[in-house]
Amino acid sequence: QVQLQQSGTELVKPGSSLKLSCKASGYTFTDYAMQAVKQRPGQGLEWIGYILPWNGVTDYNQKFKGKATLTVDTSSNTAYMELSRLTSDDSAVYYCARAAVADWYFDFWGPGTMVTVSS
Amino acid sequence: DIQMTQSPSLLSASVGDRVTLNCKASQNIYKNLAWYQQKLGEAPKLLIYNANSLQTGIPSRFSGSGSGTDFTLTISSLQPEDVATYFCQQYYSGSTFGAGTKLELK
Repeated sequence: QVQLQQSGTELVKPGSSLKLSCKASGYTFTDYAMQAVKQRPGQGLEWIGYILPWNGVTDYNQKFKGKATLTVDTSSNTAYMELSRLTSDDSAVYYCARAAVADWYFDFWGPGTMVTVSS
Repeated sequence: DIQMTQSPSLLSASVGDRVTLNCKASQNIYKNLAWYQQKLGEAPKLLIYNANSLQTGIPSRFSGSGSGTDFTLTISSLQPEDVATYFCQQYYSGSTFGAGTKLELK
């Protein structure tokens, strides 16, 4: 069965960087795009961007350009998202989600990684 | 950027009620719309894609309709396990989510 396993809860200091992971199993990793979504506590969902694992092509929501960087390691079926220059506004749950290329809806989601930015 | 507006933001209904949730896009997105259900403390779950296609494993009491700018998610007979927040998403250009409709039991 399709599974997306995300890295654990993070508590980091303002100004630091962080790399989150999302390990895929149960399907061919290079057949689907991997998407990233942010959800602040009690808030809605924000699309961050996507990466195509077969060629590394990325696209980002303008708001997250310079903040988030998506990469993949196809040898381990893992997608990564690096968040830079963290502030309290980056405190949120971050989800990875799978999307078919033909239709960009997100059919499977990881459980999320909670990130808290605090001194 | 395409904006998605959901209404109402909060909906109270009784078990067995027919429930309708609305989603409006700021421009024509054809049928590039999905609906997700998010229960407290959980990741979102895909319910409907391409405006009216039911995702595998989702109960048939859920249905979607609409095209262009106006879309609807209907629950034909509300069940206690349907208490959740529901989000619409356009994927015609990039991706944008609505702010959500919180569905509670009356």
